[in-house]
Amino acid sequence: KQEVTQIPAALSVPEGENLVLNCSFTDSAIYNLQWFRQDPGKGLTSLLLIQSSQREQTSGRLNASLDKSSGRSTLYIAASQPGDSATYLCAVSPLGSGYSTLTFGKGTMLLVSP
Amino acid sequence: GAGVSQSPSNKVTEKGKDVELRCDPISGHTALYWYRQSLGQGLEFLIYFQGNSAPDKSGLPSDRFSAERTGGSVSTLTIQRTQQEDSAVYLCASSSRDSNQPQHFGDGTRLSIL
Repeated sequence: KQEVTQIPAALSVPEGENLVLNCSFTDSAIYNLQWFRQDPGKGLTSLLLIQSSQREQTSGRLNASLDKSSGRSTLYIAASQPGDSATYLCAVSPLGSGYSTLTFGKGTMLLVSP
Repeated sequence: GAGVSQSPSNKVTEKGKDVELRCDPISGHTALYWYRQSLGQGLEFLIYFQGNSAPDKSGLPSDRFSAERTGGSVSTLTIQRTQQEDSAVYLCASSSRDSNQPQHFGDGTRLSIL
């Protein structure tokens, strides 16, 4: 059974810092990996999707990497801003399922202070 | 609308009552997912619909849970004889058929069982 772990569970940084969120998964037979953001009382917003054949994806100040063989992904946030404060969730979809049923980590709660 | 719409946003009911939660996916999205988000459990997959195919019900926690999707669009998740452990946020997501496209989430229904 696939298990997804996110470290740290919570992170507090001052504005402007660069930071890294970590995600690990136990079964490397994945179809893709996604990073989501969740604001309090809201649903999830997809940030980046990395296909299993890819190494990284970038969107603005966000960069996500994937090392499938070691079962790891990182989300790098450059020049953090208070508006980045949210919970960040990592999720993987299984290989061969034909669709993207996701297994989620429990998230990293990020607080960026002005 | 432009996004996934869920109703009601909040639902409080007494133990033993039945509840219905509704999801309107993004127009044109053929895939629809239901997830449950509980404190300490993270996000759990419940059920998946794709077009006219038989749904994947493998994540439903008990036979008190059921879901329908009428006309390939709107979906209803029904919980019969609710119990306190059913209290959670129920999230719906939709995506295009291509499983390498991200899932788009609604804001969820917060269900509280008294």
